[in-house]
Amino acid sequence: DAGVIQSPRHEVTEMGQEVTLRCKPISGHNSLFWYRQTMMRGLELLIYFNNNVPIDDSGMPEDRFSAKMPNASFSTLKIQPSEPRDSAVYFCASTGGGVLPSNEQFFGPGTRLTVL
Amino acid sequence: KNEVEQSPQNLTAQEGEFITINCSYSVGISALHWLQQHPGGGIVSLFMLSSGKKKHGRLIATINIQEKHSSLHITASHPRDSAVYICAAPKYSGAGSYQLTFGKGTKLSVIP
Repeated sequence: DAGVIQSPRHEVTEMGQEVTLRCKPISGHNSLFWYRQTMMRGLELLIYFNNNVPIDDSGMPEDRFSAKMPNASFSTLKIQPSEPRDSAVYFCASTGGGVLPSNEQFFGPGTRLTVL
Repeated sequence: KNEVEQSPQNLTAQEGEFITINCSYSVGISALHWLQQHPGGGIVSLFMLSSGKKKHGRLIATINIQEKHSSLHITASHPRDSAVYICAAPKYSGAGSYQLTFGKGTKLSVIP
């Protein structure tokens, strides 16, 4: 299995530009998570999907952030317009069997976003 | 106050030393996760435990649910153990689902 796939691995953009991050979960996993990691705040949940349906988006910072999961094998996180404070590493993770306390989450390699 | 607190934030050890990383949490949970983040950035799950102790190679994780405390121990540490270790507590988020709440991580450096 290829694991969770994220693209791009690195993104450098200018303030005001639209950024789209992509994630392919592990085949058969029905829950997908988007996390953001910064030095100051560590790992934070942005949004998660169960069976392609957004369950909790309370971690999404503001309306500039949006996420979609059109099918079981693909999700996007979009930032429009981007700002320098959005610079962080964005991780996607997936798990099977529902979102239960004991379920292991499998993380993608992350996308390092730099907004100038 | 963070719901999940780790200590220490940074730890430097000599190769061969016994290492302990601590995690305390305030959320009510039935399980706790330990993750490892490599210097290259990748995150892998080390343990999920709900009681007692688990061992995997030189890594041992313990948990006391009543005291809301967990520890990760590394015996005979090696430079390849250098990484950030993160504990995470599943917090109920409604509709039968849980989301992970993370500690800030402990950065471990093992010197040859």
